[in-house]
Amino acid sequence: SQTIHQWPATLVQPVGSPLSLECTVEGTSNPNLYWYRQAAGRGLQLLFYSVGIGQISSEVPQNLSASRPQDRQFILSSKKLLLSDSGFYLCAWSTGELFFGEGSRLTVL
Amino acid sequence: QQQVKQSPQSLIVQKGGISIINCAYENTAFDYFPWYQQFPGKGPALLIAIRPDVSEKKEGRFTISFNKSAKQFSLHIMDSQPGDSATYFCAATPYSGAGSYQLTFGKGTKLSVIP
Repeated sequence: SQTIHQWPATLVQPVGSPLSLECTVEGTSNPNLYWYRQAAGRGLQLLFYSVGIGQISSEVPQNLSASRPQDRQFILSSKKLLLSDSGFYLCAWSTGELFFGEGSRLTVL
Repeated sequence: QQQVKQSPQSLIVQKGGISIINCAYENTAFDYFPWYQQFPGKGPALLIAIRPDVSEKKEGRFTISFNKSAKQFSLHIMDSQPGDSATYFCAATPYSGAGSYQLTFGKGTKLSVIP
């Protein structure tokens, strides 16, 4: 069966520090991969999606970036975090229906 | 035209009652309508989904009703239980083939089922 792993689960970072969130999917090949952000009490905002290795589409221009170095690995990065980057980050995958990981809670202080 | 409008924003239901959450869309190309359930601190989990070739789909206590002409769909939770307390998201997409779509989500409904 397919599983998705996302880490770290929680992260507290100072403003201006870098960020790296990682996601891996097991049990499937060539999935579409997604990064969503969920601000407190709000809906789901699509940040990036990828249909293959090295192929990244950005939905929202901001100081975040994404990379897909391997078929089942998706990384969300930032060189300098802003206060507004705080939120709940969700990795997701699909080969048909969309499935989410457990999320990473980022607090920028 | 890409929006999915979800209501109500929050809902309080007594145990054993029926919870009803509504969603409306404009894009007639939308062809797949899933619902997700999210507990605090967890990722959303796919609950139930429907395609417009049927007007209703039932899985246990959860039912999706779909009205294609009105461009509306709703989630009904029968015999609501405290364990159903969560945030529910509706979503829609043109189903363009396996794994190749992006969902448009509603803003979510926070359901509280009180004993």
